[in-house]
Amino acid sequence: GEDVEQSLFLSVREGDSSVINCTYTDSSSTYLYWYKQEPGAGLQLLTYIFSNMDMKQDQRLTVLLNKKDKHLSLRIADTQTGDSAIYFCAERSYNQGGKLIFGQGTELSVKP
Amino acid sequence: GAVVSQHPSRVICKSGTSVKIECRSLDFQATTMFWYRQFPKKSLMLMATSNEGSKATYEQGVEKDKFLINHASLTLSTLTVTSAHPEDSSFYICSADISNTEAFFGQGTRLTVV
Repeated sequence: GEDVEQSLFLSVREGDSSVINCTYTDSSSTYLYWYKQEPGAGLQLLTYIFSNMDMKQDQRLTVLLNKKDKHLSLRIADTQTGDSAIYFCAERSYNQGGKLIFGQGTELSVKP
Repeated sequence: GAVVSQHPSRVICKSGTSVKIECRSLDFQATTMFWYRQFPKKSLMLMATSNEGSKATYEQGVEKDKFLINHASLTLSTLTVTSAHPEDSSFYICSADISNTEAFFGQGTRLTVV
């Protein structure tokens, strides 16, 4: 079935850039998403990209999509301690009736 | 972005009782809402798709008689955990889509069954 994979942990220093990577298998993906989850909270939609785009930038966030390799990344510039959270990659799968398929989440730790 | 409100944020109930969780879309209408369960340090597991005015669609392995879903209006879906047991303790999150593009999530409900 469709699968979304992320590395589980990333640790960076405050002020550095963070890059969180995600791979997926479903070639029918229409949209791909990045969500942020802080402890005990729901998911906050950070950004999303349509599958025929290869880049989207929104302030400190840059999303890169390599559709051929089915690879998605989220770059956070000038990472702050408030960016510490779990980041989920998700794809909207046409083959699964438009459901969101989530990765396992990457825990980002930002050290001062 | 759009707002999805979930209530309550935390609930503790006794084993054998039922608990209702509400999910509301505050500034848009949602014909479809989704209910997820999240275990500690884990990803979201889709439980069911809630359809306004019709029966919910449950994912494989999710007991529909255990997790009752009602989507009576375009802005409200409810999940009732019936005859709750400690193994039902979890974080439950709802979401609603706008135009099958953006998906917004509620704040989540931490259910503890004692």
